[in-house]
Amino acid sequence: KAGVTQTPRYLIKTRGQQVTLSCSPISGHRSVSWYQQTPGQGLQFLFEYFSETQRNKGNFPGRFSGRQFSNSRSEMNVSTLELGDSALYLCASSRRQNTEAFFGQGTRLTVV
Amino acid sequence: DAKTTQPTSMDCAEGRAANLPCNHSTISGNEYVYWYRQIHSQGPQYIIHGLKNNETNEMASLIITEDRKSSTLILPHATLRDTAVYYCIVRVDSGGAQKLVFGQGTRLTINP
Repeated sequence: KAGVTQTPRYLIKTRGQQVTLSCSPISGHRSVSWYQQTPGQGLQFLFEYFSETQRNKGNFPGRFSGRQFSNSRSEMNVSTLELGDSALYLCASSRRQNTEAFFGQGTRLTVV
Repeated sequence: DAKTTQPTSMDCAEGRAANLPCNHSTISGNEYVYWYRQIHSQGPQYIIHGLKNNETNEMASLIITEDRKSSTLILPHATLRDTAVYYCIVRVDSGGAQKLVFGQGTRLTINP
């Protein structure tokens, strides 16, 4: 059974640009959540989608957004990139809400 | 949000049982205790979770005290590959949404 797939694995962007990250959940999983991991702040929750609806959002500025498609695949977008957005972005999927979540390998974003 | 407290780091000899403690004194009656681990720069890996009864799976055992204010994750026969950061999480029930609040975790080092 395939795990959570995140693409791309590595990305380098320039300040001011925007970026879109993709997450394909485990087959049959309908909940997708996103996390940001930095050395200073650790793992922080960004948002969660279930059945194409955002159910919960973390404490991040509006530059961070996401969406979920009818096949449960999800994308997150960061606009007007800042140096501080450099991080490992992790996606997790679960069969439904409030069940164990399985993480992908992450996308490492570097903003220069 | 229920908060967890874990030791910053621990060491264990290869082949011995690794016992990782976690305090969650403000846990609510319907909140589960989850354990994840993260091996260097990979996505967190789900280990086990429980509500009030002890749980065991192929990876580990989870012992929850009767008052539910603390728990212990047990890796019965630690190997070098178990070296990782271990996170104890009390799952936040945010209206049914999936949201994991990660603390700093315990850096477990398995020594040969």
